[in-house]
Parts: sequence; structure tokens; C-alpha cells
Amino acid sequence: DIVMTQSPDSLAVSLGERAAINCKSSQNVLYGPNNKNYFAWYQQRPGQPPKLLIYWASTRESGVPDRFSGSGSGTDFTLTISSLQAEDVAIYYCHQYYSIPGTFGQGTRLEIK
Amino acid sequence: QLQLQQSGRGLVKPSETLSLSCIVSGDSIYNSAYYWGWIRQPPGKGLEWIGSIFYSGSTYYSPSLKSRLTISVDTSKNQFSLRLSSVTAADTAMYFCAMQQQLYDAFDIWGQGTMVTVSS
Repeated sequence: DIVMTQSPDSLAVSLGERAAINCKSSQNVLYGPNNKNYFAWYQQRPGQPPKLLIYWASTRESGVPDRFSGSGSGTDFTLTISSLQAEDVAIYYCHQYYSIPGTFGQGTRLEIK
Repeated sequence: QLQLQQSGRGLVKPSETLSLSCIVSGDSIYNSAYYWGWIRQPPGKGLEWIGSIFYSGSTYYSPSLKSRLTISVDTSKNQFSLRLSSVTAADTAMYFCAMQQQLYDAFDIWGQGTMVTVSS
């Protein structure tokens, strides 16, 4: 199985400041023939199911604010929130769907400083 | 707009079978040609993919659960279901159903979740 490791485990950022969450996969998730990274980011607020934010490593899901962006390729990825808002308090998960079983990172808890 | 509504028992005894269903609304499970999956989350922990099924009935299971797992589709009820046999306390978790447009794809739409506790 591909192991997904997020860092940090928790993060506190001031409102309006930038937040960055990293995810490293134990194997490459870039598929050469179509040059796509089989990688996504989700946001999970308390008591809610996960919500898809980013897929193909950098494509924002419809309706997701443009302060959320995804970058990276191969084995190293980053989710960036350009200007933290109060409603961004949540746990964020990365996910590889390059191979079965699909696997998730352990989660990063994002809080307001 | 496609939505997923979960149903099933929240308390299961050890060694018994956990059964959950996910009703699809807003589209036909047969015509949409999507993949329908189950993911679980133990209390305070991360997400684990359980398995996925295509509308035709083709199934894809997590190797760690495969021997106890059955995922099925009922096109007449526009729903798909999860059965996990011989449960233990380690199977206590929030169970989510979700939709993927392709097997190797992110999960676009999620059900609300069902908390299942394994306890005598």
C-alpha cells in the first residue's frame, strides 16, 4: 500500500495569514501516459463528512474558494490557504487514488492562532 | 444534484454482521456509470477506504477487509450496500458512502455518515 504522510500534524495560523500543509507519498502517484497526479485534498469540519477541495493535485473543485490551492507532483504535495478565514478551521486529509487500495494521510488539524 | 443518504444499524454485537445502505438520489445508479464506495473513520482517527463497486456489479475491495466484505448494488432501489461479517471492536467507526466518477478518482460526493459501534 502507498503510505501518505502529512506534516505538520497540527497547525495554528492567524486570521488572514497563509497556511501550508504538506503530504508525502511513499511511491510516485504521477501517471506518465496522461501526466496526471492521482492525488486529492479534503477538508473535514467537526461532525461533517470530508469535502473534496482539490483533485489531480491542483484542480480546485467547483465552489471551493480560490484561496485554496494545491501544488506538487510525484511524491510531494502542498495545500496552501492564502488568507486564513475562520471557517477554514478543520482537519485536512490528502488522498492518493493512483493504486488500490486508495490511501489517506493521517490528517492535519488547522486552528486559529 | 446527486445526493447520498445512508441508513443502517448503529450498534452491532461482536461476531455479527454490520449492514449499511446508501440511497442515491438525483440520478440513476444504473445510468450514471459512476463508482460507489465506502470509507470508514475510527473515532479520532483518519480515513480508510473499504471498497468500491461499479453499477454493473464489479467490486474492488481493500485487501485487509476482503475476506469479510460484501458490497452490492440494488438498481431497483437505486442504492448500494455494505456488509461486513464477523465484526470486532476494531470495526467501530463512522462509515461513509461516497461517489467517484472513475475507479481511480477522488470522492466527489459523500453521505452524511453512520456511526457504528461494535459492542455486546
